Amino acid sequence: EVQLVESGGGLVKPGESLRLSCAASGFMFSTYTMNWVRQAPGKGLEWVSSIGPGGSYTYYAESLKGRFTISRDNAKNSLYLQMNNLRVEDTAIYYCARVQQYTNGYLSDYWGQGSLVTVSS
Amino acid sequence: DIQMTQSPSSLSASVGDRVTITCRASQSIGDSLNWYQQNPGKAPKLLIYHASSLQSGVPSRFSGGGSGTDFTLTISNLQPEDFATFYCQQSHKSPPWTFGQGTKVEI
Repeated sequence: EVQLVESGGGLVKPGESLRLSCAASGFMFSTYTMNWVRQAPGKGLEWVSSIGPGGSYTYYAESLKGRFTISRDNAKNSLYLQMNNLRVEDTAIYYCARVQQYTNGYLSDYWGQGSLVTVSS
Repeated sequence: DIQMTQSPSSLSASVGDRVTITCRASQSIGDSLNWYQQNPGKAPKLLIYHASSLQSGVPSRFSGGGSGTDFTLTISNLQPEDFATFYCQQSHKSPPWTFGQGTKVEI
């Protein structure tokens, strides 16, 4: 059974850092692209970042470049999101999701339960 | 970046109704369009990918259509568990893979 379990969320002050983790099981983690997607309270879904199977290519939402870093450790079946210089507007539930490719596109077929990050003074 | 616009933002319907949600892309994305359902307090769930392909395990009352810039999600015979928020997402070429703003289906 495919499982994705996020951890590392919590309450931080503006300007502080936090690292989220996503533990994957039930599939060959090293062969899949992975996503981070976030959802601010009462708002819609926002794609945050993606990383290729080997970690050689990464993508970020333009507004987050320079503050967030996605990485993975395939030996530990784990995905990470390092978030620096956090802002109040980064408050959200952060989901990790597995990505599959299909003809002409990509989908996220499995999602974690989410990890809440709250940025407040 | 490609912008995705859903309409309506919310709608009211009854059990047994047929509802249609529309998603428009700011440029052509071919058929690189996914639909997700999110129930309150839950993670999103994939319903439709490749514009019209039903994800395994999803009931056949869900259907998707369209290509280019205009897409639809139709739910036939609305069930109580279908009252949720639905999002489209484009996955054309490389990221950013943007979502629509969501459509809330209410009783």
